[in-house]
Amino acid sequence: DQQVKQNSPSLSVQEGRISILNCDYTNSMFDYFLWYKKYPAEGPTFLISISSIKDKNEDGRFTVFLNKSAKHLSLHIVPSQPGDSAVYFCAASGGNSGGSNYKLTFGKGTLLTVNP
Amino acid sequence: DTGVSQDPRHKITKRGQNVTFRCDPISEHNRLYWYRQTLGQGPEFLTYFQNEAQLEKSRLLSDRFSAERPKGSFSTLEIQRTEQGDSAMYLCASSPRGQGPLYGYTFGSGTRLTVV
Repeated sequence: DQQVKQNSPSLSVQEGRISILNCDYTNSMFDYFLWYKKYPAEGPTFLISISSIKDKNEDGRFTVFLNKSAKHLSLHIVPSQPGDSAVYFCAASGGNSGGSNYKLTFGKGTLLTVNP
Repeated sequence: DTGVSQDPRHKITKRGQNVTFRCDPISEHNRLYWYRQTLGQGPEFLTYFQNEAQLEKSRLLSDRFSAERPKGSFSTLEIQRTEQGDSAMYLCASSPRGQGPLYGYTFGSGTRLTVV
């Protein structure tokens, strides 16, 4: 039972355009949502996060939106750059899962390719 | 800050052999996590330490798996009687005391295990 779902395995965008990566979750008790970026042969790198009490968090070119009623979040990258090409993982934590707030449940990831 | 260090980077072993991986977290980080990532999947939580105490274990961590963190510094993950299904990337991560879940944690580059 996948609690965090990223239904698009890949996404291709042109440099300078907006990249929108989507994520859905099923556990309504999740409190924290995070995005990680992963380059080949490296570990995931934390990118941006949002608490369930907010609906938007912005950091430079990256904005995460949370729609709790739809159990959906998205990551917007504007403008997209070739260096953003990587696998992006959505992750969630917290809630009444019997675990701690520090245990992350990850989606399968979306491979973003930004073409020059 | 030298980052989270994992050793070895790659390990090839025959089925039935035991293997041990080492993780050195960032020095001031008191929390340490182990995750496993298989091809096409996101990282899956295995276990979590706060200082030397192992606070949570996933059901993925069968009796053949054991993790330790003596003295709250480095950690080891041992897999006994390896099976082909154990082939995966084993990721270690750490986070500092007092840092909440919204700040994510720092991953190492992982140890890739291949069981032949």
